[in-house]
Amino acid sequence: DIVMTQSPDSLAVSLGERATINCKSSQSVLYSSNNKNYLAWYQQKPGQPPKLLIYWASTRESGVPDRFSGSGSGTDFTLTISSLQAEDVAVYYCQQYYSTPFLTFGPGTKVDIK
Amino acid sequence: EVQLLESGGGLVQPGGSLRLSCAASGFTFSSYAMSWVRQAPGKGLEWVSAISGSGGSTYYADSVKGRFTISRDNSKNTLYLQMNSLRAEDTAVYYCAKDLIVGAALGAFDIWGQGTMVTVSS
Repeated sequence: DIVMTQSPDSLAVSLGERATINCKSSQSVLYSSNNKNYLAWYQQKPGQPPKLLIYWASTRESGVPDRFSGSGSGTDFTLTISSLQAEDVAVYYCQQYYSTPFLTFGPGTKVDIK
Repeated sequence: EVQLLESGGGLVQPGGSLRLSCAASGFTFSSYAMSWVRQAPGKGLEWVSAISGSGGSTYYADSVKGRFTISRDNSKNTLYLQMNSLRAEDTAVYYCAKDLIVGAALGAFDIWGQGTMVTVSS
C-alpha cells in the first residue's frame, strides 16, 4: 500500500496570511506514461463531507477559489492557501489515486485562525 | 443538481448486518465508477470499496474483504453496500462518492453524499 503522510498535524494562521500543508507519499505517484501525478486534495469542514479542491496535484476543481493551489511531483506535494479566509477553517486531506482503486488518504491537517 | 443521498445507517450489534443505499441524481449514473469511503468518529478518511460503472468490477479494502459487498442498480441510479459480520471497528460515517471522470475508475471524487452513520455496539 502507498502510505500518505502530512505535515504539520495542525496549524494556525492569521487571516490574510499564507497557509502551507505538506503531503508525502511512500512511493512515487507520478505515472510516467502521461506525466501526471495521481494526487488530490480535499477540504472537510465540521459536519460536512469532504470537498475536492485539487486533482492531478495542481488542477483546481471548478468553483474552487484561486487562493488554493497545489504543487509538487513524485512523492512530495504542497497545498497552499495564499490568503487565509475565515471560511477556510477545515481539515485538509491529501489522497493518492495512483494505485486506484486501492486509494489511501493522508491523516489530515487541521487549519485554524490565529 | 448532482446529488448523492445515503441511507440505511443505524445501530447494530457486533456480528450483525446492515445494507447501505446511495441514491444518485443529476448525472448519468451508469457512466461513473462509485466508491464507499468511511470515517470513524474523530478520525481520517478510509476508502472501503469501489465498483465500476457497469457493476462488473468490484474492489475492497483488506479490512472489509469477505464481509462487505458493493453493488449497484443502474436502472434505479442506486449504489449499495451490504455489510455483514460487523465489528466495533466498522463504526463510522459512511460516504458514497462519485468518481471524477467518465469511464474507468480514477479514484478522485468530485461529489460526495452527506454520509450515514453506522454504529456497531452491544
